[in-house]
Amino acid sequence: DSGVTQTPKHLITATGQRVTLRCSPRSGDLSVYWYQQSLDQGLQFLIQYYNGEERAKGNILERFSAQQFPDLHSELNLSSLELGDSALYFCASSVVPVIQGADEAFFGQGTRLTVV
Amino acid sequence: AQSVAQPEDQVNVAEGNPLTVKCTYSVSGNPYLFWYVQYPNRGLQFLLKYITGDNLVKGSYGFEAEFNKSQTSFHLKKPSALVSDSALYFCAVRDMRRYSTLTFGKGTMLLVS
Repeated sequence: DSGVTQTPKHLITATGQRVTLRCSPRSGDLSVYWYQQSLDQGLQFLIQYYNGEERAKGNILERFSAQQFPDLHSELNLSSLELGDSALYFCASSVVPVIQGADEAFFGQGTRLTVV
Repeated sequence: AQSVAQPEDQVNVAEGNPLTVKCTYSVSGNPYLFWYVQYPNRGLQFLLKYITGDNLVKGSYGFEAEFNKSQTSFHLKKPSALVSDSALYFCAVRDMRRYSTLTFGKGTMLLVS
């Protein structure tokens, strides 16, 4: 158990809909990352938050957004869903000292999203 | 921009034989390199990391990785493979200029039979 909790584990929804994925980082971790894993694209970095602030953006679509709350949990919002958004979405967390940053990230078990 | 390449989609090894999963990287500045493993229907699990120091890094489950700066490689190795090592392996590099974002390779499926 990595200590990172993601809910729900599975989600099935229709095209055009909006969903919210939730992530609770490990206790003490300030940084949260979101990744999308699909067969054709592999593991793609979406976005990173550090202590409530957005710090880095990757290949995140405009239809997707995220935030990190004061209690450090994070939510990834996916809207106007398309069939191609079906994937496994991972959240990871790390301590990420600002100066160092060589700590490993710990991954949750993911949310499998199926868009039908 | 940083990048990681895993040139093999799949590696097949007989149980008891040594295994190598290859990874090359491209990054400006000092590379922070990681290996993760993903078992079916599970999240990624951290195996080992290279920050600085010895070029041979030891990690979990008997795995080790060899850092080679001149070849920009960070190959994952194990002296004797187990069937239970069969999984998807990801190499990753951290870019310190981007608040420690991890960039992953496409992954290599290891099959031990």
